[in-house]
Amino acid sequence: EPEVTQTPSHQVTQMGQEVILRCVPISNHLYFYWYRQILGQKVEFLVSFYNNEISEKSEIFDDQFSVERPDGSNFTLKIRSTKLEDSAMYFCASSQSGEAGELFFGEGSRLTVL
Amino acid sequence: RKEVEQDPGPFNVPEGATVAFNCTYSNSASQSFFWYRQDCRKEPKLLMSVYSSGNEDGRFTAQLNRASQYISLLIRDSKLSDSATYLCVVNAGSGGYNKLIFGAGTRLAVHP
Repeated sequence: EPEVTQTPSHQVTQMGQEVILRCVPISNHLYFYWYRQILGQKVEFLVSFYNNEISEKSEIFDDQFSVERPDGSNFTLKIRSTKLEDSAMYFCASSQSGEAGELFFGEGSRLTVL
Repeated sequence: RKEVEQDPGPFNVPEGATVAFNCTYSNSASQSFFWYRQDCRKEPKLLMSVYSSGNEDGRFTAQLNRASQYISLLIRDSKLSDSATYLCVVNAGSGGYNKLIFGAGTRLAVHP
């Protein structure tokens, strides 16, 4: 069964460092997303991406965050200068359609900022 | 008012029990609705979509009341493997893009 894969599964970093989280969406999917879940809290929307551009982003997705699809297969989330409150599980997801489509989530990348 | 609101639980039920979860949402323009399941420290996985006419998938039945902005999930004949957190999810996307808004989840623990 096709799946969304994410790397790394866990990253520990120092405050102020840059972090890149990588995702390989399902191959025939066209819509890509990042969500995050702070420990013990709900899953929160960060950003959606289609046709090589951001279609929507949340208030959380400030200037410290960026996304790109550098090579047609990977979909990355970069956090430019990490803060303690960026510690969370980051989930990548993809979908075939843009509306009412089922989102397939990766297993997540756990980011710990010290 | 929270965008998607759920009773956090936990619901502790014996195997074989019937359990019901409720959820309310604030955006009346929302068009699609889902129940996802999340196991501890794992990714959310789609359990089922929720349709206005109500829909059933095996032991699971979902209902939607648009007038009351209320969604429910009924699990019959609970199994140990049903133990998880159940996430009520509303698609708040517009312009052709999905934007899932998750509730905080309702925890279910099924015991022998």
